Amino acid sequence: DIQMTQSPSTLSASVGDRVTITCRASQSVNSWLAWYQQRPGKAPKLLIYQASTLESGVPSRFSGSASGTEFTLTISTLQPDDFATYYCQQYNSYSWTFGQGTKVEIK
Amino acid sequence: EVHLLESGGGLVQPGGSLRLSCAASGFTFSNFAMSWVRQAPGKGLEWVSVIYRSGSSTFYAASMKGRFTISRDDSKNTLYLQMNSLRVEDTAVYYCAKAHQGQLGTFDYWGQGTLVTVSS
Repeated sequence: DIQMTQSPSTLSASVGDRVTITCRASQSVNSWLAWYQQRPGKAPKLLIYQASTLESGVPSRFSGSASGTEFTLTISTLQPDDFATYYCQQYNSYSWTFGQGTKVEIK
Repeated sequence: EVHLLESGGGLVQPGGSLRLSCAASGFTFSNFAMSWVRQAPGKGLEWVSVIYRSGSSTFYAASMKGRFTISRDDSKNTLYLQMNSLRVEDTAVYYCAKAHQGQLGTFDYWGQGTLVTVSS
């Protein structure tokens, strides 16, 4: 299975900060990479697919990029609603796999 | 509005069986692949299985293959997960998730989840 490794595991930030989360794949997943946001006690929410395409209805402060097997989720200006856990997921090949998650907490 | 409602979770002993259901509404169920994704308490997300439209193909995560069976009944707009030979490590919230239009491997709608606890 393809392993997805996120960094950092936890990130402390303040409202208004620019935040970057990295996800590295153990082998090529092409651009078949998605990002999800999960708030405590809630189901995940799709933010980005195909590495950089914003899902409909997702604020434009979220963006994704890719360089080889390294993927990045950026939140340009952190808002109070953005404190949550973020997961990357590859869907290039079975088994589809998630990263271990990055928790964005209030500094 | 898309709505996914899981049911069937509960407490089961190791080695036991359980069948989860997911009732779908608000979209043409038969047109979309559906998946199960689970999350152990305090842990991350783990994809379990996918079933394509019409049940034409199914795939499983390695640790569930041979023990879990995904199925669907398009006449009832319902997704199922039959879980056999359950282990303590199968304890998790199980979510059903709808495949994104045009992006098979991503999930644009999720249910609220149903908790499965495997314990003696």
